[in-house]
Amino acid sequence: DAGVIQSPRHEVTEMGQEVTLRCKPISGHNSLFWYRQTMMRGLELLIYFNNNVPIDDSGMPEDRFSAKMPNASFSTLKIQPSEPRDSAVYFCASSLSGQGNYGYTFGSGTRLTVV
Amino acid sequence: AQSVTQLDSHVSVSEGTPVLLRCNYSSSYSPSLFWYVQHPNKGLQLLLKYTSAATLVKGINGFEAEFKKSETSFHLTKPSAHMSDAAEYFCVVSPGSGFQKLVFGTGTRLLVSP
Repeated sequence: DAGVIQSPRHEVTEMGQEVTLRCKPISGHNSLFWYRQTMMRGLELLIYFNNNVPIDDSGMPEDRFSAKMPNASFSTLKIQPSEPRDSAVYFCASSLSGQGNYGYTFGSGTRLTVV
Repeated sequence: AQSVTQLDSHVSVSEGTPVLLRCNYSSSYSPSLFWYVQHPNKGLQLLLKYTSAATLVKGINGFEAEFKKSETSFHLTKPSAHMSDAAEYFCVVSPGSGFQKLVFGTGTRLLVSP
C-alpha cells in the first residue's frame, strides 16, 4: 500500500490567493483527518470525516477554510483567501472504522508558505 | 475528557545511553495509548500502541512502553540511543471505544549527541 498520499509537498502562494491541498487516504480506511502543525500551536485537528461525512469541523479556524470528501478515496482542504498566518504544515491522516484504538496513518504533509 | 501530558519538552542523551520520554494521561475510559515519532520535515509514524492487551508494549526500532494504570503513565523507553533516534515524539490517547478522535500531547524533542 502506498500509504496516505498528499499533494503538493510544498506550496508557496501570495496572500489572497486560493490554495487547495489534496489527500488520498489508504484504501479501505473510512475515516480521514486534517491536521495543521505550527511551532507555536503544535498539532491541531481541523476536521475529520467518517464515511465521507464531516463529523467535527470545530477545529477549522475560520470561514476561509473549507474541506470536502466527495468520495472514499479523495479529500481536499481549501483556503480562500490565504493569509500569511496560514503558513504551516498540513497533514492528512486516515484510519479504519474511525476507531481510536487503531491509530492513524499520516501522510507526509504539505508545507504551505503564504507570502 | 481525555488528555496527555508530556513532562519534558526536550530530552538530551548521548549515543548508547538509555532513553526515557515521559507521558501521563487522563481518560474517563479504558484508554488506547500510542507513541508517534516525527523526524525533521517528515510525517508522523506510529511507534507503538497499547490497546488493553499486554501492559508492556514493544514497538519499532527497539522502543517500548509500559502502561501503568495506577500511575496513569505510558513512558517510552529504549535501552540504547542511536543518532537516528533524534526526532520529536508524541504521546497520544484515545478513549478506546466508539468513534473518538485521538488527543495528542505537545511533543518531546529527543536530542542525541555523539
